[in-house]
Amino acid sequence: DARVTQTPRHKVTEMGQEVTMRCQPILGHNTVFWYRQTMMQGLELLAYFRNRAPLDDSGMPKDRFSAEMPDATLATLKIQPSEPRDSAVYFCASGLVTSSNSNQPQHFGDGTRLSIL
Amino acid sequence: TQLLEQSPQFLSIQEGENLTVYCNSSSVFSSLQWYRQEPGEGPVLLVTVVTGGEVKKLKRLTFQFGDARKDSSLHITAAQTGDTGLYLCAGSGAGSYQLTFGKGTKLSVIP
Repeated sequence: DARVTQTPRHKVTEMGQEVTMRCQPILGHNTVFWYRQTMMQGLELLAYFRNRAPLDDSGMPKDRFSAEMPDATLATLKIQPSEPRDSAVYFCASGLVTSSNSNQPQHFGDGTRLSIL
Repeated sequence: TQLLEQSPQFLSIQEGENLTVYCNSSSVFSSLQWYRQEPGEGPVLLVTVVTGGEVKKLKRLTFQFGDARKDSSLHITAAQTGDTGLYLCAGSGAGSYQLTFGKGTKLSVIP
């Protein structure tokens, strides 16, 4: 089965350091999402892309977070500088959306567990 | 902002028991999805419901979408240890592929 691949699976770093998380969506999917999951807030949408164009990044702290899709096989989420409150599990998901059916499932990767000391 | 409230937050039951978890909102959703998430993994889609009053069955799991499309429930019959996980509901508005997730119900099925 095709899967969304996220790297690294775990990241521990000190506050102030730059963090880059990568996602390879399922081949052929045209929509990519970045989520953050914490015990307190649950799954929160940070940003999403359609055909590599950013559609919504209102959930993302713009002063330190940035999301890009350099090509159709790679999405990145960067945090600079990182802070302890950024500690969470970050998930990437991809899906195929058509004009006739927006109820398509989102396929999630297994996440990057980020700890900022 | 559309919010989804899930209850209970935690549920621990014995193997073989039945259970129901709920997903409620004051907003109308065009569709609602249920996902299950296991530790160390991402959520995996179980079902999508789109019609008010719709009932879908997936083996021992029964999903219902409320008539007004503001709420949903998941009923598990004769729970098994393999049902243990975090159950998440997620709703989308008309024409939107963006999902709003509830915080989930963490289910533990004890042998």
